[in-house]
Amino acid sequence: DAKTTQPTSMDCAEGRAANLPCNHSTISGNEYVYWYRQIHSQGPQYIIHGLKNNETNEMASLIITEDRKSSTLILPHATLRDTAVYYCIVRVDGTSYGKLTFGQGTILTVHP
Amino acid sequence: DAGVIQSPRHEVTEMGQEVTLRCKPISGHDYLFWYRQTMMRGLELLIYFNNNVPIDDSGMPEDRFSAKMPNASFSTLKIQPSEPRDSAVYFCASSGILTGNTIYFGEGSWLTVV
Repeated sequence: DAKTTQPTSMDCAEGRAANLPCNHSTISGNEYVYWYRQIHSQGPQYIIHGLKNNETNEMASLIITEDRKSSTLILPHATLRDTAVYYCIVRVDGTSYGKLTFGQGTILTVHP
Repeated sequence: DAGVIQSPRHEVTEMGQEVTLRCKPISGHDYLFWYRQTMMRGLELLIYFNNNVPIDDSGMPEDRFSAKMPNASFSTLKIQPSEPRDSAVYFCASSGILTGNTIYFGEGSWLTVV
């Protein structure tokens, strides 16, 4: 799996958009970008994933650059409950054996 | 679906004792993963199974650790004998074509070895 680089920590005001960047300059053509988050003392929670097109679901939006070397996870209206560690992971998809390799992630703190 | 179910949620045991952690994957999933999380090393993959067969156990730290999957709905991770450095949170996860190959995690088993 390709390595990803994320900022160690970020802050965001409640109600504002949180934009979490991720660099994955060595990503391969068959690797997807996945985002997970881990709220304190809980298991990692799947957020969203994509290959090259931008994706949106009820939790977040994922913007992937045209060269696929970086991406941004957007939480449109952050709440205090979004305070968590956010992991950007690249993973071979199409078959389930694409295991997840976690880095250190970004600690997002949402403040009132 | 109830999601991935793990037990026990918390366990405190004495050094040298056997520890067994249990996992029930999401119904219909054919991949099961065991991860360990510590402050020092973060989230590490220990082993994963496909159709109940171990595929990659290269992350298992040593022979004291063993994992089994006797059927599609149950897996165990056993530590014998346990040591204080085994204290960690152990996560089970599963995936399958039914849910688009996304990996879903359980809530973890918090193990403390004293």
